[in-house]
This record gives sequence, C-alpha cells and structure tokens, in this order.
Amino acid sequence: GQQVMQIPQYQHVQEGEDFTTYCNSSTTLSNIQWYKQRPGGHPVFLIQLVKSGEVKKQKRLTFQFGEAKKNSSLHITATQTTDVGTYFCAGPGTTDSWGKLQFGAGTQVVVTP
Amino acid sequence: DGGITQSPKYLFRKEGQNVTLSCEQNLNHDAMYWYRQDPGQGLRLIYYSQIVNDFQKGDIAEGYSVSREKKESFPLTVTSAQKNPTAFYLCASSMGDRNQPQHFGDGTRLSIL
Repeated sequence: GQQVMQIPQYQHVQEGEDFTTYCNSSTTLSNIQWYKQRPGGHPVFLIQLVKSGEVKKQKRLTFQFGEAKKNSSLHITATQTTDVGTYFCAGPGTTDSWGKLQFGAGTQVVVTP
Repeated sequence: DGGITQSPKYLFRKEGQNVTLSCEQNLNHDAMYWYRQDPGQGLRLIYYSQIVNDFQKGDIAEGYSVSREKKESFPLTVTSAQKNPTAFYLCASSMGDRNQPQHFGDGTRLSIL
C-alpha cells in the first residue's frame, strides 16, 4: 500500500539556524498536507500544497511540493524556540481511500537556545 | 467556538475492562476519524466514518469498536481484546473530501492500571 516517509526522524537545531525536513511518498499524491504537533498537544494543520512544483511560505516556513508530486519539503529559517514540536506530512490514500490521510512518522524538532 | 471535544483527557483501564472515549464536534463535518499515537510515533488510523450510521476499519482496528449514531459524535471503545491499549488517542474530523484538512481534538491518554 501507499507509504509516506519522513526524514530525518529527529532534528536538533541551534536557535537561529535553518533546517529542512523531507517527505516522500511511494505514490503520486493529489495534494500534501503539513501538520505541527507541539509537545503534549495535538496536530494542527499548517498548509496544503496541490500543484506540481508549488511553493508556499508562512513567515519563516517554506513548503514545497515536488514536480512529480511524490515528495515535499519544509524549510525553516532562523529557527526559534517556538518551532519546537513534531512536523508531520500527510497525503490522501489511494483512490479508494476517500477522506483518509496517510501520515508520515514525523520529524521531531528540538531547538537549543 | 467551533471545535472538537475529546473526553476524558486521561483514562485508566483495568485488565479485562472495556472503556469508551468520547469525541464530539460542532464543525458540521461529515467525516470523523480515530487515530492512535504511540510515543515518538506517527498517527495510525483505527476507524473512520464518512457519514452517520456508517464507518470503516482503518489500519489497526482490532480490539476497538466505534459507533456513529449522530453526525456530531464518534465514540471509540477500547475493548479487553486490545492487549496493548496504552497510547494517546486522537479524534479528528474533516469536510470529508479527500483534499480537506483534518481538525484534531486535544486527545485522550489511556493507561493500564
């Protein structure tokens, strides 16, 4: 079945540094969604990418959808302590999965002041 | 405010006991979902429901049961057949279209006594 993989699993970042987390799907996706889960909290929807090669920005976060619509990346510039949490990507399942999302295992981000 | 309410926040289960986790939404969403999250892991789908009086098994349905008698409510029962129930349980809802993001409740942490 479809698999969504994220790397790295853990990311330790010095405050002020940049980093990128990657998401790869075994199948072509109609869209990719990104969520953030703060420690002890619940996932919160960040953004959705739909078009091939699409790039969207939210302040210091830049999201990109690959040309083949099988991969995506999240780049954070000038990391702050508020960026701590786990970032998940998720894509719709196969054509018969309707509304379901396949979540990656997430990238857990730790920020060192 | 519109949202998803999960209760209780913490729950303890004795051996051989069934417990029910509550999930209520006032977002007028058609679709609802139950996920299980283990420490440092991603989200695994237990059950989902596209419409009232209908639900489907997810990837790890064994030992769980659900009902969807009202649009607003999607309770999850963790039965005694689930031998390793300790986890963080998240309920979500969405408009139901495969391109729509999911909105999550605050979760219920279930532990074994």
